[in-house]
Amino acid sequence: AQTVTQSQPEMSVQEAETVTLSCTYDTSESNYYLFWYKQPPSRQMILVIRQEAYKQQNATENRFSVNFQKAAKSFSLKISDSQLGDTAMYFCAFMNYGGATNKLIFGTGTLLAVQP
Amino acid sequence: DAGVTQSPTHLIKTRGQHVTLRCSPISGHKSVSWYQQVLGQGPQFIFQYYEKEERGRGNFPDRFSARQFPNYSSELNVNALLLGDSALYLCASSLFGVGEKLFFGSGTQLSVL
Repeated sequence: AQTVTQSQPEMSVQEAETVTLSCTYDTSESNYYLFWYKQPPSRQMILVIRQEAYKQQNATENRFSVNFQKAAKSFSLKISDSQLGDTAMYFCAFMNYGGATNKLIFGTGTLLAVQP
Repeated sequence: DAGVTQSPTHLIKTRGQHVTLRCSPISGHKSVSWYQQVLGQGPQFIFQYYEKEERGRGNFPDRFSARQFPNYSSELNVNALLLGDSALYLCASSLFGVGEKLFFGSGTQLSVL
């Protein structure tokens, strides 16, 4: 069974600085998707970035980028030029490729606080 | 276009009661999934429906059931509520069944007293 582990329950960063959130996962599959979702106090889960495991190039979305290390089963999220609006819970998630469902397996989350 | 909408936003029930939660997907999306998020944890997969058929079920008891209607909206039903069912219930929609990005609603906060 696949598992997702986020070992940092809480992190803090100063506005305009860079922060990296860690995520590791366990799977025997070779093809899969990885995601980072953001959950602000409004509770809505917002997709931040998606990585397809068969692509070697790391995904980027504006100030957000990932460091995908397939062999190490590591998928970290880097937030550059942190903004106050980035304060939220961040979840790493795994999805099988080619399975019968689009079931997401989530980690336990990292609470990020951006300080002014 | 409207995003995923869920109703109600908050709900208070007592043990043993029944509850129905509703979800309307993004227009054009044919897949709806339900997740349970207990305080302090990541969401847990409950069900996925695609084209009105159940595609997957998580490790939840038979007290949990769901269905999808011809307009792709969905209901999650929970019978014989327990205190442990208190959680945020999230609905997510996607265009197709597999590999697509999931778009979430803001959830229904269920409190069981």
